[in-house]
Amino acid sequence: GAVVSQHPSWVICKSGTSVKIECRSLDFQATTMFWYRQFPKQSLMLMATSNEGSKATYEQGVEKDKFLINHASLTLSTLTVTSAHPEDSSFYICSATEASGTAYNEQFFGPGTRLTVL
Amino acid sequence: GENVEQHPSTLSVQEGDSAVIKCTYSDSASNYFPWYKQELGKRPQLIIDIRSNVGEKKDQRIAVTLNKTAKHFSLHITETQPEDSAVYFCAAAWGGSNYKLTFGKGTLLTVNP
Repeated sequence: GAVVSQHPSWVICKSGTSVKIECRSLDFQATTMFWYRQFPKQSLMLMATSNEGSKATYEQGVEKDKFLINHASLTLSTLTVTSAHPEDSSFYICSATEASGTAYNEQFFGPGTRLTVL
Repeated sequence: GENVEQHPSTLSVQEGDSAVIKCTYSDSASNYFPWYKQELGKRPQLIIDIRSNVGEKKDQRIAVTLNKTAKHFSLHITETQPEDSAVYFCAAAWGGSNYKLTFGKGTLLTVNP
């Protein structure tokens, strides 16, 4: 149980185009989903936290108009990289926690999406 | 905000030896400390975690220790096996049900057969 999927697993796009990445919780309801960015051989940097039905909370330095996050249901969150540029090339990983009031519910991670902007 | 430092960045051990990875954190409010294993190109997976009300937790070959006074915590892997080779990340968080993780930079562990 507790499986998170991401689609696509990899994407190559031209500079200036927009790319949408989906994150789905397959067998549980995720009140909260997180989006991370991971550069090669580096750590995971939290970009934003999204709660179902409300606006995402972005971390300092992350442009909310460039990285649009939508969490329309308890099983789906999307990240849209708008007007992508080569510096946006990275590994984007989502995670999700089950709907619960319990402290520190485990975050289940998706397999990641490799974005390459030419 | 929270800052997590992790050492070493790379660690190479012989099969059967022990491996220790250390992390320090800056925010004394942090009270949740998970460790993740990430194999190349794959998703991070939680391997063990510890909360601030305990000083040590063990799960088979893996153990984590926490020193809240010194604000550091460590991962101990005993009897290492080649399949333990991966990148290990420590993280720290506070906030209970609305927590956010701050990750260390990771340690590449290589277990040589």
